[in-house]
Amino acid sequence: AQSVAQPEDQVNVAEGNPLTVKCTYSVSGNPYLFWYVQYPNRGLQFLLKYITGDNLVKGSYGFEAEFNKSQTSFHLKKPSALVSDSALYFCAVIKRGFQKLVFGTGTRLLVSP
Amino acid sequence: NAGVTQTPKFQVLKTGQSMTLQCAQDMNHNSMYWYRQDPGMGLRLIYYSASEGTTDKGEVPNGYNVSRLNKREFSLRLESAAPSQTSVYFCASSDPGYSEKLFFGSGTQLSVL
Repeated sequence: AQSVAQPEDQVNVAEGNPLTVKCTYSVSGNPYLFWYVQYPNRGLQFLLKYITGDNLVKGSYGFEAEFNKSQTSFHLKKPSALVSDSALYFCAVIKRGFQKLVFGTGTRLLVSP
Repeated sequence: NAGVTQTPKFQVLKTGQSMTLQCAQDMNHNSMYWYRQDPGMGLRLIYYSASEGTTDKGEVPNGYNVSRLNKREFSLRLESAAPSQTSVYFCASSDPGYSEKLFFGSGTQLSVL
């Protein structure tokens, strides 16, 4: 069965510092990987996706993610955090050939001024 | 451009009552989904519809029914609500193909007393 894990419930970072939100996956074969963000009282919004090709994927709002096949990881990164980046972040995976996107449990990012 | 519209935004039910959550999208997407979001559980797929006229169970379908009324609309029905169905419900849609990103509605907060 496909699954995705986000080992941190919350990540705290000071504004201006780099941030990393971790994600590991368990899917046979070559998966499709996604990051979504949820602001308070809103639905999820797509940030970026990895399908194939370059292991470093760039997305919205200055975020990027690095696909590491040997470590089965897809960590979300940003070089310089903003207070407005504070939100709930979800990693998701889908196995090629399947319809169902599986989400992680989410990581709350708190950026302090 | 409205995107994905869900109604109602809030609802309180008594145990045993029934209700239907409505969802409509104006992006001409083939696929539509219903998720529930619970603290510490992330998002879990209830049902999805790959195209008009088809529906399939997700991870947690028990206690729910769905109807894909037409290409635009996908409703979720609780026949006899239970306190365990207290959750935030999200509808989503996507372009054909599992690699495409999901577009989410703003959610329905449901409490079952």
